[in-house]
Amino acid sequence: EVQLVQSGAEVKKPGESLRVSCKTSGYTFINYWVAWVRQMPGRGLEWMGNVYPGDSDTRYSPSFRGQGTISADKSITTAYLQWNSLKASDTGIYYCARLRGSYGSGSYFFEFWGQGTLVTVSS
Amino acid sequence: QSVLTQPPSVSAAPGQRVTISCSGSSSNIGSNYVSWYQQLPRTAPKVLIYENNKRPSGIPGRFSGSKSGTSATLAITGLQTGDEADYYCATWDSSLTAVFGGGTRLTVL
Repeated sequence: EVQLVQSGAEVKKPGESLRVSCKTSGYTFINYWVAWVRQMPGRGLEWMGNVYPGDSDTRYSPSFRGQGTISADKSITTAYLQWNSLKASDTGIYYCARLRGSYGSGSYFFEFWGQGTLVTVSS
Repeated sequence: QSVLTQPPSVSAAPGQRVTISCSGSSSNIGSNYVSWYQQLPRTAPKVLIYENNKRPSGIPGRFSGSKSGTSATLAITGLQTGDEADYYCATWDSSLTAVFGGGTRLTVL
């Protein structure tokens, strides 16, 4: 059974750093892209970026480039989303999701999702 | 402002059929497959449709998807109260970035 289990809710102050984790199991980690998706309070889904654990290839949304770092650790089949200096506007729920599809075919979709991690940034 | 345009809300009575549209452009929907997601209140999204019209195992046949040109449609028949949720379309664009629609809230009257 494919599972993506995320770390727990966080409350941080502006300027602090944070790393959210997404522990995966039930499949070959290095063979699938893992994406991060943000949902701000009362708003829709926004794609932040993907990481391919096999070679650490990383793609970012132009809207999020420079605002967070996506990475993966093959040894523990875990993906990460990290901030060095949080802002109040980073408040939201962050989901990791495993992609499935064929490279170059435009067929990728978000097949399995983590339960979400609520990040609250407030002074 | 989302790249893909969905109606903010739709509603219908139990047992009825409802459709949700998703409008894009030649660089996203026109060139790539569309997927649809259901997000029940306070839960993570779940895929309903992928590659325009395919259903993952476990998704009832009441849910169907289609695509024509730069638009896609999700149809739900035999509406149930448990279908009340937010629905999102998604695809990719020419710069290999994913884009979501703004979401549609379905109310079952």
